[in-house]
Amino acid sequence: KAGVTQTPRYLIKTRGQQVTLSCSPISGHRSVSWYQQTPGQGLQFLFEYFSETQRNKGNFPGRFSGRQFSNSRSEMNVSTLELGDSALYLCASSLGPTKETQYFGPGTRLLVL
Amino acid sequence: SQQGEEDPQALSIQEGENATMNCSYKTSINNLQWYRQNSGRGLVHLILIRSNEREKHSGRLRVTLDTSKKSSSLLITASRAADTASYFCATDARLRSNTGNQFYFGTGTSLTVIP
Repeated sequence: KAGVTQTPRYLIKTRGQQVTLSCSPISGHRSVSWYQQTPGQGLQFLFEYFSETQRNKGNFPGRFSGRQFSNSRSEMNVSTLELGDSALYLCASSLGPTKETQYFGPGTRLLVL
Repeated sequence: SQQGEEDPQALSIQEGENATMNCSYKTSINNLQWYRQNSGRGLVHLILIRSNEREKHSGRLRVTLDTSKKSSSLLITASRAADTASYFCATDARLRSNTGNQFYFGTGTSLTVIP
C-alpha cells in the first residue's frame, strides 16, 4: 500500500497570504489528523477528521481550518499567514477514529517571510 | 508540553551501547506510543503499549509503562548509527472536558549514535 502523501513538500509564502496543504491517507484509512511542528512548541495537534466530520480540534486560532472529502483526502488551510506559522505540517492517517497507530506523511515545510 | 515531557532532551552514545529515554505524562491514558523522527521528516510508529500492560518488546526495543507514576521508558539495545533520530512518546488522552481524546506528543529526545 502506498503511504500517506502530502503536497506540496515545501512552500514559501509571505505574511498575509493564505495557504492550502493537501494530504492523501493510506487507502482504506478514514481518519486524518493534522499536526504542526516547530522547534519552540514541538508537535501540536491541529485537528482530526473522520468520515468528513471534524471530530477534534486543537488550541489554534480560527485562521487554521480544514476539511475532509468523501475519498478521505484532507486539506488544511491557513489564512492571513503570520511569521509564526512557519513550521512543518504533518498529516497522519489511521483506520478509524480511535487513537491507535497513526501513519505519518513526510510533511509540508512552510516558510512565511 | 500539554501532556508529555521527555528526558533527557538529548542523548549521545557509542554504537553498541543501550539508549534509554523516559516519558512522563499528566493525565490518565488509554495507550502510549513511541515514534521516531529522522531529521525533519515524518514520524514512524515504533511501538504501542496499552494502559493495562507493563512491558512490551519489539526487536531491539523494550518499552515499560508505569501508570501509577504516569511514566514510560523506551530502551533501545545494541544501538546502531541508523538509530540516530528524535524519539517521541505520544499519549491518547482527554485534557479538557469539551474535547475528545487526542494525541499528545512529548517534547522528544534527540538521540545520536556515534559509529
